[in-house]
Amino acid sequence: DVKVTQSSRYLVKRTGEKVFLECVQDMDHENMFWYRQDPGLGLRLIYFSYDVKMKEKGDIPEGYSVSREKKERFSLILESASTNQTSMYLCASSTPFAGAYEQYFGPGTRLTVT
Amino acid sequence: EDKVVQSPLSLVVHEGDTVTLNCSYEVTNFRSLLWYKQEKKAPTFLFMLTSSGIEKKSGRLSSILDKKELSSILNITATQTGDSAIYLCAVRLNNAGGTSYGKLTFGQGTILTVHP
Repeated sequence: DVKVTQSSRYLVKRTGEKVFLECVQDMDHENMFWYRQDPGLGLRLIYFSYDVKMKEKGDIPEGYSVSREKKERFSLILESASTNQTSMYLCASSTPFAGAYEQYFGPGTRLTVT
Repeated sequence: EDKVVQSPLSLVVHEGDTVTLNCSYEVTNFRSLLWYKQEKKAPTFLFMLTSSGIEKKSGRLSSILDKKELSSILNITATQTGDSAIYLCAVRLNNAGGTSYGKLTFGQGTILTVHP
């Protein structure tokens, strides 16, 4: 079974802090994604990566950056956390093998910025 | 702008009822449509639909795509309390260059609550 893990289930940070959210997948997937999920807005794509050191902006990249130094690990960075970044953050991975592309999700990190 | 819209946004039913969840899309370069179920944690994959009119089925759940109407429905028959979840619809697009790296555009989700 594909396993996607995220470093924390719950996180509380102060405004202005630098925040790192880590995601690790164990299936050698090429593609990795970071989403945020807010009530009534569904999942919105922040950034994705299709290879090591390669990244592309999603729909809402402002205030975030990412890092992918190894294939299995994709990090989301909030350079200076703000209260409007309080949300559920979901990481996902996928592979183009067999043209499937279905995404496998981690359990999520609920981030509260005070 | 690519858009995926789900309806209703929330639904409350009793065990044994049948429900139909809707997903419509306005996108360029459609490739496939996916349904996910999200309980307390990670969304889990249900179906991927690429061809119009072909029903996908798994137990009491089924789904079908209508490319002419730019929509899909997810049916759940004989609902159980364990079906209570957020149901997410997502569309995969092709980039102009023919690849999308599996990027998905999600709808808002439908919150289904099944009472005993």
